Amino acid sequence: EAQVTQNPRYLITVTGKKLTVTCSQNMNHEYMSWYRQDPGLGLRQIYYSMNVEVTDKGDVPEGYKVSRKEKRNFPLILESPSPNQTSLYFCASSIHPTATEAFFGQGTRLTVV
Amino acid sequence: QKEVEQNSGPLSVPEGAIASLNCTYSDRVSQSFFWYRQYSGKSPELIMSIYSNGDKEDGRFTAQLNKASQYVSLLIRDSQPSDSATYLCAVVERGFKTIFGAGTRLFVKA
Repeated sequence: EAQVTQNPRYLITVTGKKLTVTCSQNMNHEYMSWYRQDPGLGLRQIYYSMNVEVTDKGDVPEGYKVSRKEKRNFPLILESPSPNQTSLYFCASSIHPTATEAFFGQGTRLTVV
Repeated sequence: QKEVEQNSGPLSVPEGAIASLNCTYSDRVSQSFFWYRQYSGKSPELIMSIYSNGDKEDGRFTAQLNKASQYVSLLIRDSQPSDSATYLCAVVERGFKTIFGAGTRLFVKA
């Protein structure tokens, strides 16, 4: 089954404790991206990647890191989480961002206390 | 000015009516436009994509694009209670950055 898998689905952590949210897709997609969704603000792109070892900043990259060492994986790293990073996070992938739909993961609800 | 703007709603329509959702964008060179539907607590899922001026129909859904006015819309005919969701407009800008609008909440009353 074609899918984008995020883990964990839910996470509560404390300020400053490094964490990683994993994202994996099995569709051989070139393009992957991370979004955060906050009430009233919609989806905001954090980082995106056009291919292995190619990443670019989205609209809200501050406080986040990503890596794309393999085509299928695109982890999101919060080196020192803060309460303002409490949000719902989505990973998405597509063959190409302009030509095809994006497939979204199930979402990760992160709470930083 | 926000790069992609949508009316936040909520938009309430009776069952069987036409729901009209609107979106404006600021980047004139944007080439790809998408409408996603998101049910509460779920991931967004694609409804329609449109790339050239005019209308594109798929079942009960019609997307309309006017690049001169930087405007894209989604019409839902014969609205059903199951269409009640948040509808997100997405625009792919130069450099392949994807910008989403804040979404419009639609309620279809039975």
